[in-house]
Amino acid sequence: GAGVSQSPSNKVTEKGKDVELRCDPISGHTALYWYRQSLGQGLEFLIYFQGNSAPDKSGLPSDRFSAERTGGSVSTLTIQRTQQEDSAVYLCASSLLSLASTGELFFGEGSRLTVL
Amino acid sequence: AQSVTQLDSQVPVFEEAPVELRCNYSSSVSVYLFWYVQYPNQGLQLLLKYLSGSTLVKGINGFEAEFNKSQTSFHLRKPSVHISDTAEYFCAVIPSINAGGTSYGKLTFGQGTILTVHP
Repeated sequence: GAGVSQSPSNKVTEKGKDVELRCDPISGHTALYWYRQSLGQGLEFLIYFQGNSAPDKSGLPSDRFSAERTGGSVSTLTIQRTQQEDSAVYLCASSLLSLASTGELFFGEGSRLTVL
Repeated sequence: AQSVTQLDSQVPVFEEAPVELRCNYSSSVSVYLFWYVQYPNQGLQLLLKYLSGSTLVKGINGFEAEFNKSQTSFHLRKPSVHISDTAEYFCAVIPSINAGGTSYGKLTFGQGTILTVHP
């Protein structure tokens, strides 16, 4: 497809387990972002990739969260030792750099994480 | 730093009625402003944006928004809504480039307003 693809769409896990969430951006989009959408909290920025490097990781809530991007394309967000407060929808977005500076991002449908 | 406040968490309206979704922001520098929409089970998509120029901007699906610098507001309006407008709407900001803003899309979002259009 032509849009941002995320998997899995839903993930239920037990507290303490590790999870990996995947994002496949629009082809050619150099900029990639992870946001988190919690109930009643709006969207919060987690991390930004430009190519394979992450110049802004300021939104990652703890060292249990990490992300990588390979080949300037697919990105994986990893949450180790999940806690119940990690339950949220994790959104990936991508953009051309020329559009990113004026805020035009293209979002995937999100991965809904539930930690029991 | 910037912050965005969406004054209504939920707005119920009847079909063909007008609607206004309110957004106020706080920033020490000039900003660009956006409205994104999230339809059920879909990703967010850009509805409209204000970068510069005319303070009244028009977006997709008949929506428009007006930037008011003195009131630091960017309210979204539609004169006549349809059932298909039922969605969650997010207001967002980013520092403008001439304000020394980031060169990438690190948006600050409001908490969202759920618009429900009833028949």
